[in-house]
Amino acid sequence: LAKTTQPISMDSYEGQEVNITCSHNNIATNDYITWYQQFPSQGPRFIIQGYKTKVTNEVASLFIPADRKSSTLSLPRVSLSDTAVYYCLVGDIRGRAAGNKLTFGGGTRVLVKP
Amino acid sequence: DTGVSQDPRHKITKRGQNVTFRCDPISEHNRLYWYRQTLGQGPEFLTYFQNEAQLEKSRLLSDRFSAERPKGSFSTLEIQRTEQGDSAMYLCASSIQGAVDEQYFGPGTRLTVT
Repeated sequence: LAKTTQPISMDSYEGQEVNITCSHNNIATNDYITWYQQFPSQGPRFIIQGYKTKVTNEVASLFIPADRKSSTLSLPRVSLSDTAVYYCLVGDIRGRAAGNKLTFGGGTRVLVKP
Repeated sequence: DTGVSQDPRHKITKRGQNVTFRCDPISEHNRLYWYRQTLGQGPEFLTYFQNEAQLEKSRLLSDRFSAERPKGSFSTLEIQRTEQGDSAMYLCASSIQGAVDEQYFGPGTRLTVT
């Protein structure tokens, strides 16, 4: 089971780019990296998922180096509404017994200031 | 609304009582997850269904917890002989097995055991 390590919190300002790095030194060959966002009193919301190199969608980019022992979520030009907790997950999403390997860590609390 | 729904949204019960929660996933999703989340922590995996089969159950899960997903549709999570330590937000999520495992979370059921 790959364990993830993220910073506990980060502060940023509106319009800036926020980069959150997650360490997962014991990532397995079949593991994917997924990021979720959670607002207070709501369930987490999927942001992005990747296996290697770079993945980009309409809200974020995910950078994964060749050794895959870490990954960086990049949020471009954040706004106040991006204030939330961001979770990095590592797991085998395609295996039949995928569920037990999807473990949320403590997450990173991002505060976007005006 | 075609998202994941959970019922009830809030439940207050006395220690020792049994409680049952319901989750209705997105209709075409074959995977269903239950998580538990306490204040300041990330969601903790409880169990996972693929269709009607319960494929994974957390080793941390007490025997007082049981979950079902008859006919691969809605799911119920029952907690018997509740304890104060069971007080938490119980989250349900669903996904469809494919290239990307994006879990859609419901709003959660907040349980308070007095």
